[in-house]
Amino acid sequence: GAVVSQHPSWVICKSGTSVKIECRSLDFQATTMFWYRQFPKQSLMLMATSNEGSKATYEQGVEKDKFLINHASLTLSTLTVTSAHPEDSSFYICSAILAGQDLQIQYFGAGTRLSVL
Amino acid sequence: GQNIDQPTEMTATEGAIVQINCTYQTSGFNGLFWYQQHAGEAPTFLSYNVLDGLEEKGRFSSFLSRSKGYSYLLLKELQMKDSASYLCAVTDSNYQLIWGAGTKLIIKP
Repeated sequence: GAVVSQHPSWVICKSGTSVKIECRSLDFQATTMFWYRQFPKQSLMLMATSNEGSKATYEQGVEKDKFLINHASLTLSTLTVTSAHPEDSSFYICSAILAGQDLQIQYFGAGTRLSVL
Repeated sequence: GQNIDQPTEMTATEGAIVQINCTYQTSGFNGLFWYQQHAGEAPTFLSYNVLDGLEEKGRFSSFLSRSKGYSYLLLKELQMKDSASYLCAVTDSNYQLIWGAGTKLIIKP
């Protein structure tokens, strides 16, 4: 199947700093990428949908100024958590859909575990 | 509103068969997915159903009844490595993916 690379896999930062997470589709072009957040023992929560070359669409309740998403190319989307606070500590996962594919299978990155001290 | 229901947790024995049910109420339907997620890892795609009936893929099968808003994932010859959460997700009329909360499957020897 298609491979999505997410980096870093684990990050610990101080409160108030910003953290950038990268999501790359390695062997395919992805017109659409998704960013999820998952708290322990809970389901995936969609944060935003990212389309190449356009602004991301954020879900209700997600602060777009805090979670900056950039989808500059067909293979790369980034999520920047600005001025991170302990309540932002979570498991962040990206996924991508193959460009031109009718079947909307989402291929997931390995996830990034963010711990804010 | 949109809703997907699946049991929170199930327990089964190694070598046995288990069926994980999923019922959904969504605005439109454009397909149902099953994903497997091991603890601390990202989900991986298992199956996709858009037409009624059974889709078989090795030890895993997925069934769909659109009229009943119902699907199940059937796992045969259970192995310890099948211990994971199984997520049901439905694509609605806007092609937005609605996720269930997941079913944690515990396999006992």
